[in-house]
Amino acid sequence: AQSVTQPDIHITVSEGASLELRCNYSYGATPYLFWYVQSPGQGLQLLLKYFSGDTLVQGIKGFEAEFKRSQSSFNLRKPSVHWSDAAEYFCAVGAQGSQGNLIFGKGTKLSVKP
Amino acid sequence: SQTIHQWPATLVQPVGSPLSLECTVEGTSNPNLYWYRQAAGRGLQLLFYSVGIGQISSEVPQNLSASRPQDRQFILSSKKLLLSDSGFYLCAWREDGKQYFGPGTRLTVT
Repeated sequence: AQSVTQPDIHITVSEGASLELRCNYSYGATPYLFWYVQSPGQGLQLLLKYFSGDTLVQGIKGFEAEFKRSQSSFNLRKPSVHWSDAAEYFCAVGAQGSQGNLIFGKGTKLSVKP
Repeated sequence: SQTIHQWPATLVQPVGSPLSLECTVEGTSNPNLYWYRQAAGRGLQLLFYSVGIGQISSEVPQNLSASRPQDRQFILSSKKLLLSDSGFYLCAWREDGKQYFGPGTRLTVT
């Protein structure tokens, strides 16, 4: 069955420190992979996506993610976290197709210490 | 540019009352549309998706229904709300393989 696992429910980092949020997926074919961010009470904003090609993808707000097929992972990284990055982050996997349905992980809440 | 609207933003309804949440998309035609529910600590659950007017697919059995009366309008309904229907409801549309989300509706069933 297709699934997405985000092992860390809550992470706290200091402002200026580096960040890595983990995402593992289970999917039968080469997946489309996404990271979304959600601020409290808001909708989800797309940070970045992987469809094919270069396995290191750049997104908005200084985020990047690396697709590692051998590890079934798509971890999100940022070299220096800002206080405004505090939010909840969701990894999602999908397939090419007319429906384009996505399967989401349960999210990782990021807190940033001053 | 494309925009997506949801209303109301927040809603408090008693158990057993009806529900109607609306989602509209501007700046695109014949989009795939989606309804998700987000409950605390449970991520996003896909409830319904639609690939065109009058075409609705349900992902999970539940107390809710969806309709798409117009190309860019997607409605989530219930005849009688349950306590378990409380949550944050998100509408999304799809373009170029990516999904874009609306601002959401916070529903509290009391």
